[in-house]
Amino acid sequence: DAGVIQSPRHEVTEMGQEVTLRCKPISGHDYLFWYRQTMMRGLELLIYFNNNVPIDDSGMPEDRFSAKMPNASFSTLKIQPSEPRDSAVYFCASSLGVGRFNIQYFGAGTRLSVL
Amino acid sequence: AQSVAQPEDQVNVAEGNPLTVKCTYSVSGNPYLFWYVQYPNRGLQFLLKYITGDNLVKGSYGFEAEFNKSQTSFHLKKPSALVSDSALYFCAVRDGAGSNYKLTFGKGTLLTVNP
Repeated sequence: DAGVIQSPRHEVTEMGQEVTLRCKPISGHDYLFWYRQTMMRGLELLIYFNNNVPIDDSGMPEDRFSAKMPNASFSTLKIQPSEPRDSAVYFCASSLGVGRFNIQYFGAGTRLSVL
Repeated sequence: AQSVAQPEDQVNVAEGNPLTVKCTYSVSGNPYLFWYVQYPNRGLQFLLKYITGDNLVKGSYGFEAEFNKSQTSFHLKKPSALVSDSALYFCAVRDGAGSNYKLTFGKGTLLTVNP
């Protein structure tokens, strides 16, 4: 299996532009998680899905952030409009179930720089 | 609420020496505890977990961790460090009670193994 695939690996954009980050989870996994990693705040959970349905989006910082999962093999995280403080590494992770033996598998991340 | 503390931002050890990366946690119910490792420009990789059972858990690459309920700790250890172990290490906790499926991560500890 290729693992969790994220694209792009790097994104540089200007303030005010729309940014879309993409994630393909491991085939067969039914949970998908979006995280943000910064030096100041560490690794934060933004939102997670179960069977394509958003379950908890309490970590989404504000209305400028939105996430979708149109099917079991694809998810997007969109920021519109982007701001310099959104600069971070964004990780997607997937898991098979969330029971006691759950392990989350992470993608390589997207490094976002908003100028 | 659940939380994780990694009291050391950095740990330096000489190759061949034993290493310890510290982690303490706080949860309401029974803790599910995890260690992940992150190499430069890569996503997080699962190392090991404690759910129940023996307090000493063995994981990948010769790492192990000891669960101590009275001290609410889950320190990561390795008897003999390798230069290739140099990376960023994250401890994570999840409350085993209820339907909380969120993992809370510590800020990370940068391990440097010197030749």
